[in-house]
Amino acid sequence: GAGVSQSPRYKVAKRGQDVALRCDPISGHVSLFWYQQALGQGPEFLTYFQNEAQLDKSGLPSDRFFAERPEGSVSTLKIQRTQQEDSAVYLCASSLGDGMNTEAFFGQGTRLTVV
Amino acid sequence: KNEVEQSPQNLTAQEGEFITINCSYSVGISALHWLQQHPGGGIVSLFMLSSGKKKHGRLIATINIQEKHSSLHITASHPRDSAVYICAVRPPLSGNTPLVFGKGTRLSVIA
Repeated sequence: GAGVSQSPRYKVAKRGQDVALRCDPISGHVSLFWYQQALGQGPEFLTYFQNEAQLDKSGLPSDRFFAERPEGSVSTLKIQRTQQEDSAVYLCASSLGDGMNTEAFFGQGTRLTVV
Repeated sequence: KNEVEQSPQNLTAQEGEFITINCSYSVGISALHWLQQHPGGGIVSLFMLSSGKKKHGRLIATINIQEKHSSLHITASHPRDSAVYICAVRPPLSGNTPLVFGKGTRLSVIA
């Protein structure tokens, strides 16, 4: 596609419900990042994939958070047993290469509200 | 961990004004990004720079590596420039490393 696509754009979940957030990166992009942005804050790193390999998941806040990219393209961020503190915008970014200075392209984000 | 500080947090300007947003970081970096985020969440990359100065239309970004400081300037500001501007840095490690973000500067340009 022309850009990074995320779905759904908005998600309201009841506390305790499981959710799955999808990211379609730009075709051919090797690197994919997930970030979490709380209201009024800058994004914070969650996890990083290089192709299908999850190279860094140090930012995942708890074992309720799980991400995968099984074929090295589409990625899914899953949150189990959602809590109110999980409410945030979840941003996905992809970049063509795996080097230090490759430009990142961001999706529109998924706004998750846990009630 | 790199700390990224932006100032001001909020900025209101009259249309046509020259605007400066500042970013300071605490540890050496390989690159610095300026990003624009509109209501609704989507982020657009404005600049990626590791030294000197870049210009694109009415936007100018500068970086001083020694002082660990960068500025984003908007000339002849317009209401459509209203957005949150975020500074993000990439640590100086090999490979692709996650960005560390500032909290953003919320800009409102009034006609």
